[in-house]
Amino acid sequence: DAKTTQPPSMDCAEGRAANLPCNHSTISGNEYVYWYRQIHSQGPQYIIHGLKNNETNEMASLIITEDRKSSTLILPHATLRDTAVYYCIVRSPYGGATNKLIFGTGTLLAVQP
Amino acid sequence: DVKVTQSSRYLVKRTGEKVFLECVQDMDHENMFWYRQDPGLGLRLIYFSYDVKMKEKGDIPEGYSVSREKKERFSLILESASTNQTSMYLCASSPESAGAHEQYFGPGTRLTVT
Repeated sequence: DAKTTQPPSMDCAEGRAANLPCNHSTISGNEYVYWYRQIHSQGPQYIIHGLKNNETNEMASLIITEDRKSSTLILPHATLRDTAVYYCIVRSPYGGATNKLIFGTGTLLAVQP
Repeated sequence: DVKVTQSSRYLVKRTGEKVFLECVQDMDHENMFWYRQDPGLGLRLIYFSYDVKMKEKGDIPEGYSVSREKKERFSLILESASTNQTSMYLCASSPESAGAHEQYFGPGTRLTVT
């Protein structure tokens, strides 16, 4: 699996957009970009995934560069409840359980009131 | 909603004790996983299972074993607990369908071995 690089921490003002970057320069053609988050004392929670097109769901938007070497997770209106560690993961979804998720240390997003 | 439950949120055990951590999922998922999470190290995969009675070692299986006798239940066993197994333990499940994207996690068990 390709490795990812994320900043260790970021701040964001409540109500503003939070833009979390991720570099994955060695991503291969069949690997997707996944984002999970982990709120303190809880298990990780899936947010969104994408292959090469931008994606949006009720939680966030995912922007993937054309060369797929980096991506940005956007929380459009951050709230205090979005304070969490955000993990960017690249992985092929095929191959079942043997194709495991590899969590790095993520980005701690602190939303400030 | 998918639900993954773990038997305890907090557990304190003594060195040398045998420890069982239980995980149950209610979505008929084929795949189940056990991770541990330590500060600065992220999540590390201990064992996973892709079917009843099937198991595969993850990245750090030493000192652990697992059991999957029923599809919905995946147990992590510490045969003789040691202080370096003090950690947060997370269980997850996912379907086996081709291209399945999401793993569903339980709330975690914080184990302290004294």
